[in-house]
Amino acid sequence: DAMVIQNPRYQVTQFGKPVTLSCSQTLNHNVMYWYQQKSSQAPKLLFHYYDKDFNNEADTPDNFQSRRPNTSFCFLDIRSPGLGDAAMYLCATSRVVLYSYNEQFFGPGTRLTVL
Amino acid sequence: AQKVTQAQTEISVVEKEDVTLDCVYETRDTTYYLFWYKQPPSGELVFLIRRNSFDEQNEISGRYSWNFQKSTSSFNFTITASQVVDSAVYFCALSEPPMNNNAGNMLTFGGGTRLMVKP
Repeated sequence: DAMVIQNPRYQVTQFGKPVTLSCSQTLNHNVMYWYQQKSSQAPKLLFHYYDKDFNNEADTPDNFQSRRPNTSFCFLDIRSPGLGDAAMYLCATSRVVLYSYNEQFFGPGTRLTVL
Repeated sequence: AQKVTQAQTEISVVEKEDVTLDCVYETRDTTYYLFWYKQPPSGELVFLIRRNSFDEQNEISGRYSWNFQKSTSSFNFTITASQVVDSAVYFCALSEPPMNNNAGNMLTFGGGTRLMVKP
């Protein structure tokens, strides 16, 4: 089945130790998104890629970076995780052409714990 | 600015009861899309429905139905004969137009409604 896959599902890291979360998709969608979701809150968009074009949200901390080496894969790098970065990280994809409003398909998420 | 409000933070019902989740939105765009997503305890956001601003027809899918009313800027979601498996957090979302030719469409989420269906 075509899907959005996130690995690992659970990630534990230490304060200040860099961590990378990965996302892959078999939907061949041109847009990939990264969201942060803290407990009892709505998902918050961090950034997204439209093909190879990176779009950062204005309030996303510099501590968060992303890479998209090809259509299928996208990575979220947290350079120096703080306790406040503990959250669920959701990857999503959509097929977007100009003026379209297609739904986003979400992966199962990676729950990050920072010790 | 876009805004989505889900006034009900938590709803608890007994199995087989009908339940309606409210969603009210604000936008200046004349063309927009509305979505509902379900987030079960496993964490994945599951797409339920997409509705465009020009289509006010109500939609029914099995036990799920949606009522879109532009006059009141509402897009409410009703579950008929609720089941324990319906227990989840439900998010209503509004889609903004892409910012430019090389951007995706952004989702503005409501705060979510936690639905608990008791046996």
